[in-house]
Amino acid sequence: AQSVSQHNHHVILSEAASLELGCNYSYGGTVNLFWYVQYPGQHLQLLLKYFSGDPLVKGIKGFEAEFIKSKFSFNLRKPSVQWSDTAEYFCAVSPLSGTYKYIFGTGTRLKVLA
Amino acid sequence: KAGVTQTPRYLIKTRGQQVTLSCSPISGHRSVSWYQQTPGQGLQFLFEYFSETQRNKGNFPGRFSGRQFSNSRSEMNVSTLELGDSALYLCASSFISGGPTGELFFGEGSRLTVL
Repeated sequence: AQSVSQHNHHVILSEAASLELGCNYSYGGTVNLFWYVQYPGQHLQLLLKYFSGDPLVKGIKGFEAEFIKSKFSFNLRKPSVQWSDTAEYFCAVSPLSGTYKYIFGTGTRLKVLA
Repeated sequence: KAGVTQTPRYLIKTRGQQVTLSCSPISGHRSVSWYQQTPGQGLQFLFEYFSETQRNKGNFPGRFSGRQFSNSRSEMNVSTLELGDSALYLCASSFISGGPTGELFFGEGSRLTVL
């Protein structure tokens, strides 16, 4: 069965530190990949997505993610975090075949200290 | 344009009762998905509806059910509530034409507390 793993459940960083959140998926076919973010008190929203082409994708607020097909990974990165990046981050996978079942990881809570 | 609207936003029920949650998707979106969000469990997929048909189902007991109407609005129902059903229930809509799902647009959720 397809699954998405996010290895870091809680991350605490100081402002200006670099961020990398891991995401690995288990699915044999081609997928679309997403990162969503949930800021405190707000609804989930799309941070960035990968459909095809350049495996390095850029999203909002300086975030980027790299799709490494051989590793089934789609890690999220930001060179320098800000206090306002405090949020919960979810990786998600949408297969391009089969039942198209959209699966999320368990999420990573990021706290950035000012 | 208006976003995804979920009602009610908050509700308190007691064990054994049943509850119905409603979701109005973004206009033109024909896919509606439901997720249960709890601390530590992340987003657990409940079901997805597309054009009034259940396209996918998660691993939840039969007490959890849903449906979609011809105007794409969706409802989910939980019968015989248990304490463990306390959670934030999220609805998301997407513009698809039957194939893979792209971006999901989420509502603010319905927070259910079971006493």
